[in-house]
Order: sequence, then C-alpha cells, then structure tokens
Amino acid sequence: DAKTTQPTSMDCAEGRAANLPCNHSTISGNEYVYWYRQIHSQGPQYIIHGLKNNETNEMASLIITEDRKSSTLILPHATLRDTAVYYCIASLGGTSYGKLTFGQGTILTVHP
Amino acid sequence: EAQVTQNPRYLITVTGKKLTVTCSQNMNHEYMSWYRQDPGLGLRQIYYSMNVEVTDKGDVPEGYKVSRKEKRNFPLILESPSPNQTSLYFCASKRQGLALSNQPQHFGDGTRLSIL
Repeated sequence: DAKTTQPTSMDCAEGRAANLPCNHSTISGNEYVYWYRQIHSQGPQYIIHGLKNNETNEMASLIITEDRKSSTLILPHATLRDTAVYYCIASLGGTSYGKLTFGQGTILTVHP
Repeated sequence: EAQVTQNPRYLITVTGKKLTVTCSQNMNHEYMSWYRQDPGLGLRQIYYSMNVEVTDKGDVPEGYKVSRKEKRNFPLILESPSPNQTSLYFCASKRQGLALSNQPQHFGDGTRLSIL
C-alpha cells in the first residue's frame, strides 16, 4: 500500500466545513483512497472511498486530484461529534488481502 | 442492524491462562480480520480469513490462533497470553470477491485486554 501523509492535528469551528488533506504521491493506478475515523478508542468507522472520481455520501465528500497524488476529505458541516482521529489509507483492496495500514492520522478537534 | 460484535469488551487476566475473544458478524461477509492497536503503532493486522476454513497470517500473528468454521464467526485465541499482548483488539469484516475487492471494512467496538 502507498504511504500516506496527513497533518497531525487540525481544528474546525462547529458548523463550518472541515477539510482534511492527505498526500499519497506514490499511489499506484489501482489503489483506492479510503477514509476512516476513530472516535476515542471505538472501532474505526468507514467514511468514504474512491479511485479517481470525486465521491459524496451522507457523511462526507472526497476530492481526489487529477494526478491522484493527494486528496481532501470534506465534512460539510462539522459538529462536536465529528471530533476524532481521521485516517487516510491507500490500498489495493482485495488484492492486498484486505489489510488496511493505518498511519497516525489527523486529530480533528471541532470546537463550539 | 448490520454489525460486528466482539466479546468480551474488557478482560483482565493473568499470564498463561488461555482466552478466546469472539467475533461475529451478521452481514454474510466472506472476509474477516483481527487487528491490534497500540499507542504509537497504529492498527496492525494479526490474522485474516478470506472465507470459511481459509485463514492466513497478517503482520503480527505470533502468540495468536484463529479459526473460521462458520462464515459469521472468527474467534481470536490466545493459548498462553503474555503481558506484551496487552492491547486493544478489533475485529473487522467485509464483502469479498473480485468485483467487490474495494469494499470497505466494518469494525467491531473493540476488546481491551490486559494481561498481568
């Protein structure tokens, strides 16, 4: 799996959009970008994933640059409950036997 | 409700006393996996299973055993636990298949083990 780089921590005001960047400059053509989050030692929660195109679901949007070397997770209206560690993972999915390599992630703090 | 259920959630035990952490999923997923999480080391994969009776080692399998006799269950067995296995453990599952290789994993709520 390609190495990913994320900022150690970020702050966001409640109700504002949280934009979390991720660098994956060595990503290969068939590696997906996954985002998970972990709230205070609970099980990691899947947020969104994509390959080339931008993706949106009920939780977030994922913007992947055209060269696929970086991406941004967008939480459109952050709430206090979005305070968590966010992990960006580049993975081959099934061909890597499903292993997800979690780095240190970004600690997002949403404040009132 | 679709979920991955681990038991127990917390356990304090002593060195050498065999223990089993159960994991069950109700989503009919083929793939299941165990991870451990330690401060500064992130989540590391212990074992995984692509389907019933098919298991394989992850990155840190030493001291652990698994079995996959039924699709829904994937227990983690510590035959002779040691203090270095004190950790937070997560079970995960996902749909598997060539056309579904990019499916996300669903995680349980975790089991915190303390081996004294």
